[in-house]
Amino acid sequence: LAKTTQPISMDSYEGQEVNITCSHNNIATNDYITWYQQFPSQGPRFIIQGYKTKVTNEVASLFIPADRKSSTLSLPRVSLSDTAVYYCLVGVKDSSYKLIFGSGTRLLVRP
Amino acid sequence: SAVISQKPSRDICQRGTSLTIQCQVDSQVTMMFWYRQQPGQSLTLIATANQGSEATYESGFVIDKFPISRPNLTFSTLTVSNMSPEDSSIYLCSVGGQSNYGYTFGSGTRLTVV
Repeated sequence: LAKTTQPISMDSYEGQEVNITCSHNNIATNDYITWYQQFPSQGPRFIIQGYKTKVTNEVASLFIPADRKSSTLSLPRVSLSDTAVYYCLVGVKDSSYKLIFGSGTRLLVRP
Repeated sequence: SAVISQKPSRDICQRGTSLTIQCQVDSQVTMMFWYRQQPGQSLTLIATANQGSEATYESGFVIDKFPISRPNLTFSTLTVSNMSPEDSSIYLCSVGGQSNYGYTFGSGTRLTVV
């Protein structure tokens, strides 16, 4: 059974680096790994996407090991406005192909 | 990336009735996706809607309960039929996946069934 798991919650303080890991042991061979941020009463918002190794954009970095069975979202210096739920999204190949969201990590950034 | 307009943003409905949710995209897209997000939970894919063909439903979701229309490349509707309180959720549509910006999501429809 394909599972995509994340820590339920994380606490941090302003200015710290936060790393959130997603395990996706059945990821499909050619699929990207995408991370989203969701605030209450809003749809998920794209953060970053990668296939392998490391990807960096203006808001985050994404680290993907060679086996691609996990990925780590890195937020370099969080602020209070980064308090949100973070989801990974991958395509998995089990009995059939499907897109699966991770269970979500609720990040709380404290002053 | 695409911009999605989703309506209604929220509704409170009586059990046994049906609600149709609309998604309008500002560009032509091949595939549109419908998700359900139950309170405090992650998103679960309901179905994939391609223009000109029947929607493909995920395990646990059936066409009679969640009929989908896809009349053109910029529009889709999801109907939640014969609603019960267990259908109270946020429903979201999504497009994309082939670009560098992943999938784009509508703002969601918060449905409460009483």
